Amino acid sequence: AQSVTQPDIHITVSEGASLELRCNYSYGATPYLFWYVQSPGQGLQLLLKYFSGDTLVQGIKGFEAEFKRSQSSFNLRKPSVHWSDAAEYFCAVGLGYQKVTFGTGTKLQVIP
Amino acid sequence: SQTIHQWPATLVQPVGSPLSLECTVEGTSNPNLYWYRQAAGRGLQLLFYSVGIGQISSEVPQNLSASRPQDRQFILSSKKLLLSDSGFYLCAWRLLGGSYNEQFFGPGTRLTVL
Repeated sequence: AQSVTQPDIHITVSEGASLELRCNYSYGATPYLFWYVQSPGQGLQLLLKYFSGDTLVQGIKGFEAEFKRSQSSFNLRKPSVHWSDAAEYFCAVGLGYQKVTFGTGTKLQVIP
Repeated sequence: SQTIHQWPATLVQPVGSPLSLECTVEGTSNPNLYWYRQAAGRGLQLLFYSVGIGQISSEVPQNLSASRPQDRQFILSSKKLLLSDSGFYLCAWRLLGGSYNEQFFGPGTRLTVL
């Protein structure tokens, strides 16, 4: 069965430090991959997506993600974290034409 | 541009009472529509999705139901709420035409069942 794993439930980084959030997927076909961000009490906002082409994808707010087929991973990165990046981040896999499967999320805390 | 609305924003209901949450989308036609529930530490659980008026697919057996009476309206209902129905309910829409199309989420409804 298709699945998405975000192994880190909670991550704390210092403001200005680099960030990498991990995402691994299990899917038989070519995956369509997404990263979303959710601020407390809000809906989800798309950061970036990958479906073909260059495996390094640039998104909004200075985020990027790299698709590595050999590792079944789609990790999210940011070179320098800002306090406003504190939120919960969800990785997701598009399944066919209807559904998307989401990971359980990683909560990011940013300390001064 | 497209927008998605959900109401109410928050709701407190007693156990055994009925529920109706509404989601509407503006600025697009014939979208796929989705209801998710988000519980603490459990990510997003897909409850229902719809590819057209009157077409509902249920992902999780439970005491909730969904309806799509109009192209851009999606309603989540229950006849009798349970304590376990508490959570954050998100509606989303997606363009037809490609599985690489992302979903766009509404602001959510916080439901507390007491």
